Amino acid sequence: AQSVTQLDSHVSVSEGTPVLLRCNYSSSYSPSLFWYVQHPNKGLQLLLKYTSAATLVKGINGFEAEFKKSETSFHLTKPSAHMSDAAEYFCVRSNAGNMLTFGGGTRLMVKP
Amino acid sequence: NAGVTQTPKFRILKIGQSMTLQCAQDMNHNYMYWYRQDPGMGLKLIYYSVGAGITDKGEVPNGYNVSRSTTEDFPLRLELAAPSQTSVYFCASSDKEGGRDSPLHFGNGTRLTVT
Repeated sequence: AQSVTQLDSHVSVSEGTPVLLRCNYSSSYSPSLFWYVQHPNKGLQLLLKYTSAATLVKGINGFEAEFKKSETSFHLTKPSAHMSDAAEYFCVRSNAGNMLTFGGGTRLMVKP
Repeated sequence: NAGVTQTPKFRILKIGQSMTLQCAQDMNHNYMYWYRQDPGMGLKLIYYSVGAGITDKGEVPNGYNVSRSTTEDFPLRLELAAPSQTSVYFCASSDKEGGRDSPLHFGNGTRLTVT
């Protein structure tokens, strides 16, 4: 089965400092990959997606992610964290047969 | 445009009781999904539907049933609630297969506790 591994269950940063949330996927055919964000008591919202076009993908709220096939990684970054970025983030891959595989999630905490 | 609406938001069930989690979308999406979210486990697909009258099992279908009589509605039924079904349930929809080129739109979730 295809898998997605988020390397950190919790990440804590100070406001104004860079954010790095790490994601690795199991290698197979070129996957479609997504990052979703979940704010407390809310559903998931799409941040960005990679579908085999440009390897550097820009999303909403200043986030971006780079697809690196050689490293089977799709890390999410943001140059400067904002308090409103505090949430849980999910790395997701699309598989055949209408299945999405979710990583375990990374909770981002932003300190003032 | 309400998007995906789930009811109820919270529910406590006793072991062996049954209930239906409601999900409705007003975006005319063909694809609808039910996921459960457990701490540290991401989301697991329970059932999905590619259109009215068509449903299929996901990764964790045991203990659940679904129906899709209309494009808008996709209720999830728990027949004999068990503590292992304590979870947060999310309904989602998309207008193309698997969200590959189109995002999933999620409801705000139903938090279910079985005691």
